[in-house]
Amino acid sequence: AQSVTQLDSQVPVFEEAPVELRCNYSSSVSVYLFWYVQYPNQGLQLLLKYLSGSTLVKGINGFEAEFNKSQTSFHLRKPSVHISDTAEYFCAVSEIGSGAGSYQLTFGKGTKLSVIP
Amino acid sequence: KAGVTQTPRYLIKTRGQQVTLSCSPISGHRSVSWYQQTPGQGLQFLFEYFSETQRNKGNFPGRFSGRQFSNSRSEMNVSTLELGDSALYLCASSLDGGSSGNTIYFGEGSWLTVV
Repeated sequence: AQSVTQLDSQVPVFEEAPVELRCNYSSSVSVYLFWYVQYPNQGLQLLLKYLSGSTLVKGINGFEAEFNKSQTSFHLRKPSVHISDTAEYFCAVSEIGSGAGSYQLTFGKGTKLSVIP
Repeated sequence: KAGVTQTPRYLIKTRGQQVTLSCSPISGHRSVSWYQQTPGQGLQFLFEYFSETQRNKGNFPGRFSGRQFSNSRSEMNVSTLELGDSALYLCASSLDGGSSGNTIYFGEGSWLTVV
């Protein structure tokens, strides 16, 4: 079984400042890692994902994340945020393989990012 | 191409009633999964279907059920509704359920309120 911990439930940040949203995971098997964003009254949109290879992953809207296997972390960063980045961000994992666990995403509780003008 | 489509978007039901939610996946996607989102529990996996077969089920009571049709469209049903079933129900589709890292795409959800 896997679990995902998002260490901050809310993160306020001023516009044009950098931001880091933290995510740690626990799993007995290898996993894929994802960050999704949810704008108010909408579904989830994929920001980026880590499957293999380079540990630095670039996504949409200027976001990037770094996979750290030893620390089992996958923190999301953006060097300069905009008002439009105000949303809730979810970190998720899925098992690598063909077992039943590979057909679901396990999500963290989410981090609400508020960008202050 | 069209995204994941969920209907209805909003609905209000009374305790004890049942509800059916519908999901049309992205064309070509054979996997459909369902998630429940609540403020207290967050996003929780309900079940996943691939080619009309349920491959995985989350930890929900038997009142929650689903099915998938030959055209990959899916429905989920909740019987004997309880107040705690009030939630946003999200449908997601992918080529193969995400087992090879393929992106899982989400619909905008169906907001269910039980009164």
